[in-house]
Amino acid sequence: GAGVSQSPSNKVTEKGKDVELRCDPISGHTALYWYRQSLGQGLEFLIYFQGNSAPDKSGLPSDRFSAERTGGSVSTLTIQRTQQEDSAVYLCASSLGIAVGNYEQYFGPGTRLTVT
Amino acid sequence: AQSVSQHNHHVILSEAASLELGCNYSYGGTVNLFWYVQYPGQHLQLLLKYFSGDPLVKGIKGFEAEFIKSKFSFNLRKPSVQWSDTAEYFCAVTGGVTGGGNKLTFGTGTQLKVEL
Repeated sequence: GAGVSQSPSNKVTEKGKDVELRCDPISGHTALYWYRQSLGQGLEFLIYFQGNSAPDKSGLPSDRFSAERTGGSVSTLTIQRTQQEDSAVYLCASSLGIAVGNYEQYFGPGTRLTVT
Repeated sequence: AQSVSQHNHHVILSEAASLELGCNYSYGGTVNLFWYVQYPGQHLQLLLKYFSGDPLVKGIKGFEAEFIKSKFSFNLRKPSVQWSDTAEYFCAVTGGVTGGGNKLTFGTGTQLKVEL
């Protein structure tokens, strides 16, 4: 079956511009996560959505970062006024739910963001 | 906050050598433990997971890991590595006494190179 998909696969943007990154989770998965992978910081949690509950935004590094999930499916991560330190690979993952046994997170291929 | 330590950043082995990668986490309580692998140019994939029960868990491709609660450890092992095991390996944890819900806290990763 189809896995987690992300678009675009690569994005180069100028410092100060806004960017939107998209994630399509696996069909039927109620939980969706955003992480980023950078050379200096490794893999870091950003934000997590579960069903209709309020998202856990505790990993967002600044208020320039926001995310939404429409209709319980597709999610968009938006970075406003991008900075060079935002350059990283942004990974999306989804899981069937949050109960034990449903915890396994399936990762997408990522979006490589380069801020020049 | 929960943290994960991977002690080996780069490991080089010859084919058929045995592998052990260390992983320690900081907070006890109820934790779920994972090893993920990222082959060159590919997505993060789950190797194995521990939720409860037998502390020795077996994953794909001949990998296994042992959960030792008293040592806060979840080391990854493989008796005989192959060239195709060349990849980056990440240990990850959810839960722990400080909570954290379902978000994965990752270690910094271990780059494994297997030489012919």
